[in-house]
Amino acid sequence: NAGVTQTPKFQVLKTGQSMTLQCAQDMNHEYMSWYRQDPGMGLRLIHYSVGAGITDQGEVPNGYNVSRSTTEDFPLRLLSAAPSQTSVYFCASRGIDYTFGSGTRLTVV
Amino acid sequence: AQSVTQLGSHVSVSEGALVLLRCNYSSSVPPYLFWYVQYPNQGLQLLLKYTSAATLVKGINDFEAEFKKSETSFHLTKPSAHMSDAAEYFCAVSESNGNKLVFGAGTILRVKS
Repeated sequence: NAGVTQTPKFQVLKTGQSMTLQCAQDMNHEYMSWYRQDPGMGLRLIHYSVGAGITDQGEVPNGYNVSRSTTEDFPLRLLSAAPSQTSVYFCASRGIDYTFGSGTRLTVV
Repeated sequence: AQSVTQLGSHVSVSEGALVLLRCNYSSSVPPYLFWYVQYPNQGLQLLLKYTSAATLVKGINDFEAEFKKSETSFHLTKPSAHMSDAAEYFCAVSESNGNKLVFGAGTILRVKS
């Protein structure tokens, strides 16, 4: 089925570890974005991309890196995880409307 | 910069009662406005959107919202609440090109039997 696929669904990291959250879409959408969701704060934009090779920062970019080498993929990298990055992460792509992935629940201990 | 304020982090209604979830926005340009619903441990589902056409927008599951420019509001309503409406609801605003969707803090709707 067409949509946005996020992997993994759950992850536990130790402080200082690195990891990449994967996001892939098969709808040929140019625009993709990453959000983090924290209780009482809604979803906050981390990074976004308007097409392959083009990325930009959102509201809370510190501690996260992104790249966009293909239209389909938009991975989010945590270079040195911190407890403050414990959150639920959502990837979204946009054609006419936004399509959200099912999320990655990340815990940093 | 665009921003969204949702009034009331928790709203409780009885089954069959009117649902009213409040949203006010701030935008320096004509906005696109959205309401999303999130059920526990799931992603977000679009309920409805305003993109400068009709000010009264109808969405799925009998939800509707009215864009009021003078009040900078986009409140969500449903005439009769169902138990299945219990979820968290997010109001959001984007630039006129649809980029950089900005969310409110969310309102958790509880439906009492």
